[in-house]
Parts: sequence; C-alpha cells; structure tokens
Amino acid sequence: EIVMTQSPATLSVSPGERATLSCRASQSVGSNLAWYQQRPGQAPRLLISDASTRATGIPARFSGSGSGTEFTLTISSLQSEDFAVYYCQQYDNWPLTFGGGTKVEIK
Amino acid sequence: QVQLQESGPGRVKPSETLSLTCIVSGVSVSSGNYYWSWIRQPPGKGLEWIGYVSYSGSTNYSPSLKSRLTMSVDVPRNEFSLKLSSVTAADTAIYYCARDLGYSGFDPKWYFDLWGRGTVVTVSS
Repeated sequence: EIVMTQSPATLSVSPGERATLSCRASQSVGSNLAWYQQRPGQAPRLLISDASTRATGIPARFSGSGSGTEFTLTISSLQSEDFAVYYCQQYDNWPLTFGGGTKVEIK
Repeated sequence: QVQLQESGPGRVKPSETLSLTCIVSGVSVSSGNYYWSWIRQPPGKGLEWIGYVSYSGSTNYSPSLKSRLTMSVDVPRNEFSLKLSSVTAADTAIYYCARDLGYSGFDPKWYFDLWGRGTVVTVSS
C-alpha cells in the first residue's frame, strides 16, 4: 500500500497570503495524484487531478505541481472560503490512498 | 444536475451488518465509464477508500475491509449499495458515496469528481 504523507498538519496563513501544501508518496505515483478541499461539515470537493489539472469550476488561484513522490498544492492568495482541510490522494496503485490532510487556518 | 445521496441507519449494533445505499440522480449508473465508490471518515480523522462497484457489478475492495464487504449495483433503481458485516466501534464514521472516473483510454482516472453529502454511522449497543 502506498502511504501518502502531508505536511504540515496545520498551516496558519493570513487572508491574501500564499499557502503551500506538500504531499509525499512512499513510492512513485507518476502524475496520478488528486487534491481535495473539505470545508467543515461538508463532503470533500475535487480541486486538482493528474497532479496539476484544475477541476471544473476551481479558481485559478489553486495550482498543483510535482510528479513521482513529491507534490505541492499552492493557493496563491487565500480567500476566506479557502480555510479548510486539504487532502491528497494517489490513484496509481491499489488500494487508493489518501494523505492525512493539512488544515489551513486563519493566522 | 448530478447528485448522490446516501441513505441508511444512523446506528448499528456491534457484530451486526451495516447497510447503506447511494441514490444517484441526474446520471445513469450504467452510463459512461463511471465507477461507484464508498469512502469513509472516522470522527476527526482522514479519508479511507472502501471500494467500488461498476455498473456491471464488478468490484474492487480495500484489502483491510475485503473480508467483510459486499457492494452491489441496482441499475433499474439507479442506486448502489454497501454491506459491511461484523461491525465494531472502529467502523464508526461518516460514509460517503462518490463517483470515480475509472480509466480514460489507458490512463487511470481513479479519483472522485462527485460526492454525496455523507451519512453518519455510529456503531454502538
């Protein structure tokens, strides 16, 4: 099973600032990586697939990069609605696995 | 508008079988290359993929749950279901149903583009 490790666990950022979230895979997953946003009390929402492709309706301030074992989600200028928990997920190997999440909170 | 809606009992007793259904609207479960998944989230914790079922009834389960799992699809009713047997407190979670894109050509697209709102299941006597 591929283990996905996200860091940091919590990220404190001021509105308007940039947030950089990391996701590491225990073995290469190529570009088969997705990012999700989960707001409190809501289901996760797909942000990014194939490591860098924004899902339909996702604002351009969200961008993904990386391949192999190291991935990054960047939120260029945090808006109030972006304070949430973010998960990465690999889909290169079975079983599908998620990272433990990064909580982005207001500084 | 495509929507997924989970339904099932909010409480299940230890050692019994948890049964959940996901009602799909706006798209047929037999259309396209979609696969229909279940994912769960224990209280205050992260996400765990449980497994998927295809419109033809083929399944793929997480190894950690495989021995207790049964998933099925009902094309005429446009819904799919999960049964998890011999539940314990560790199975207490929010259970989500989700749509998985499967493959695009030979490229894996096993991520979830559409989710239900989730249903809370508590295992308790």
